[in-house]
Amino acid sequence: SQELEQSPQSLIVQEGKNLTINCTSSKTLYGLYWYKQKYGEGLIFLMMLQKGGEEKSHEKITAKLDEKKQQSSLHITASQPSHAGIYLCGADDAGGTSYGKLTFGQGTILTVHP
Amino acid sequence: KAGVTQTPRYLIKTRGQQVTLSCSPISGHRSVSWYQQTPGQGLQFLFEYFSETQRNKGNFPGRFSGRQFSNSRSEMNVSTLELGDSALYLCASSRGPIGEQFFGPGTRLTVL
Repeated sequence: SQELEQSPQSLIVQEGKNLTINCTSSKTLYGLYWYKQKYGEGLIFLMMLQKGGEEKSHEKITAKLDEKKQQSSLHITASQPSHAGIYLCGADDAGGTSYGKLTFGQGTILTVHP
Repeated sequence: KAGVTQTPRYLIKTRGQQVTLSCSPISGHRSVSWYQQTPGQGLQFLFEYFSETQRNKGNFPGRFSGRQFSNSRSEMNVSTLELGDSALYLCASSRGPIGEQFFGPGTRLTVL
C-alpha cells in the first residue's frame, strides 16, 4: 500500500530563514497535495502537483514534484510566524480510480520564532 | 463561496453510544470524503461518496458508516462507540473523483 514519509518530523526556525520539507513516496504518484493545518483544525489546501518536474509557487511557498514522481519538496522563503503549523503531504496513488482517497504523510510541525 | 462546513464542532459521548456527524460540501462539489485523524495513526481515509453512492472505503470496521443526500450533504455514523474512536473527524469535498480536496474544520469527538 501507499506510504508517504515526511522529513523532518519537526522544524524550528528563526523568522526570515528559508526551510524545506520533503515528502517521499513508496509508489509513483498520480497527484501530490500539500496542506497546512493549525492544531485541531481543518486542512488548508496549498498546492497540487501532478506532472513530473512540475513546480508551483504561491506567495513565499514553492512546491516541486520530481521527475520520477516519487518525491516532493515544499520550500518556504523568508519564513514568518504565520507560516507556523503542521504541513501535510497527501498522495493520490491510483489516478482516476482513487475515488476521493488521499494517503497522507505523518506531517511536519513547523515552529517559527519571531 | 462558502467553504466546507461540519457540525457539530465538538461532541462528547460515552462508550456504547452512537453518533452522527454532518458535512456540507462546497456548492457544486459532488464528492465528499471522510477522514479520521488521531495522534497515533495520523489522517486515515474512511470513505467517499459521489452522487449518493459510496465509491471507496478505507480499512475501518462496519461500525463506521455514511451516506450522502441528493444535495451532496453527507453524514457519517459511528455505532457502539469505543474509546479509540476519539479523534478529529474531517470531511473534504471536491468536484470530481480526482483533484483538490477542500477540508472542513472538523468535528472533535471525545468518547468517555
